[in-house]
Amino acid sequence: TQLLEQSPQFLSIQEGENLTVYCNSSSVFSSLQWYRQEPGEGPVLLVTVVTGGEVKKLKRLTFQFGDARKDSSLHITAAQPGDTGLYLCAGDWGGSYIPTFGRGTSLIVHP
Amino acid sequence: DTGVSQDPRHKITKRGQNVTFRCDPISEHNRLYWYRQTLGQGPEFLTYFQNEAQLEKSRLLSDRFSAERPKGSFSTLEIQRTEQGDSAMYLCASSLEWPSGSGEQFFGPGTRLTVL
Repeated sequence: TQLLEQSPQFLSIQEGENLTVYCNSSSVFSSLQWYRQEPGEGPVLLVTVVTGGEVKKLKRLTFQFGDARKDSSLHITAAQPGDTGLYLCAGDWGGSYIPTFGRGTSLIVHP
Repeated sequence: DTGVSQDPRHKITKRGQNVTFRCDPISEHNRLYWYRQTLGQGPEFLTYFQNEAQLEKSRLLSDRFSAERPKGSFSTLEIQRTEQGDSAMYLCASSLEWPSGSGEQFFGPGTRLTVL
């Protein structure tokens, strides 16, 4: 069973600060997704990365896929209270499209 | 069709009762997935369908759990003889399989189950 580690588990910051969350595995991903989930709702897909070294940007969010395709990071610039939520990474191996999710990083941005 | 829908959104039941949840995927999506999410954890894969065929069910949590997708459209997840440990959020997701689509999954809002 492939394991997917996310860190940190919790993050509480002030509006305007920058932050980075990490997602790591000992296995090579076929693809990796980042989701954001609000309480009582299902996860919402933010981005999918497939190619090693790939960088994708979504407004103030920057996603990076490691060269070896075993790790990924999500960087948020100038965080806003609306960024509050649970950030989940999910990876699949072997092109199965059956993802394994990490435990998530719970982010709170205080105004 | 604006997304994946699930019904009910909340279910409270007594231990030992059977419950059934429904998921309506995005209409053109051929894959449908069920997940369970407990507090402080990410979603845990349970089973998935491609059209009406259930292609993976070995990760259903016990033989009390079963899922169907009889016409390749909506799906149901049934839990028989519920236990307090079944209390969780049950999520459904759908996707359009490559090469017609990217395989990316879109989630519904979930059904929150509480077993008393």
